[in-house]
Amino acid sequence: ETGVTQTPRHLVMGMTNKKSLKCEQHLGHNAMYWYKQSAKKPLELMFVYSLEERVENNSVPSRFSPECPNSSHLFLHLHTLQPEDSALYLCASSQDLFGTGGYEQYFGPGTRLTVT
Amino acid sequence: AQKITQTQPGMFVQEKEAVTLDCTYDTSDQSYGLFWYKQPSSGEMIFLIYQGSYDEQNATEGRYSLNFQKARKSANLVISASQLGDSAMYFCAMREQGDSWGKFQFGAGTQVVVTP
Repeated sequence: ETGVTQTPRHLVMGMTNKKSLKCEQHLGHNAMYWYKQSAKKPLELMFVYSLEERVENNSVPSRFSPECPNSSHLFLHLHTLQPEDSALYLCASSQDLFGTGGYEQYFGPGTRLTVT
Repeated sequence: AQKITQTQPGMFVQEKEAVTLDCTYDTSDQSYGLFWYKQPSSGEMIFLIYQGSYDEQNATEGRYSLNFQKARKSANLVISASQLGDSAMYFCAMREQGDSWGKFQFGAGTQVVVTP
């Protein structure tokens, strides 16, 4: 596997369910990100991790719980979601957090989440 | 406040023609980076091109070039010789040096449809 992978690609869950999204990067990067992409809205940054340490929680409801066990893996644990949480959830990684020289983000294919 | 503005929600362009996608940004930092990403209907965000605020020359990557006008705070993407596979959503993004943990801020995107 190369690049950034995400599983599952599609997820339908009820409001009382608990599920997890998984992201894995094979690029040797130090920083990982979770984004939410809703229809007709800009990407919303949710969480940022650098070297497995959370450095930003961008006012995200507690029903979203991230976990970064190592620099290659990132999880997003979901529980008691609302229908408005239905969106595309994108994971990304970058070489590092600091500096503006390049350090572009590489994205996974996303998980299309539908909350019923 | 929105720091990245993409004023064109959608554009049609004929195959083999060039198209310019507008992007203006707002920052008080001297050091920042500008990025363009492409998102096909499959959902994956694909990095296209990067321009640093101190770069004196406009960035180019194959058929993509970035028209960087620092004084006007604009970073327009030019796609030359459009192909059907260029049909996608295009996002402009910025990363500011002052934002030490490296948050990327994205615009709302421009939907490009290439017609035969």
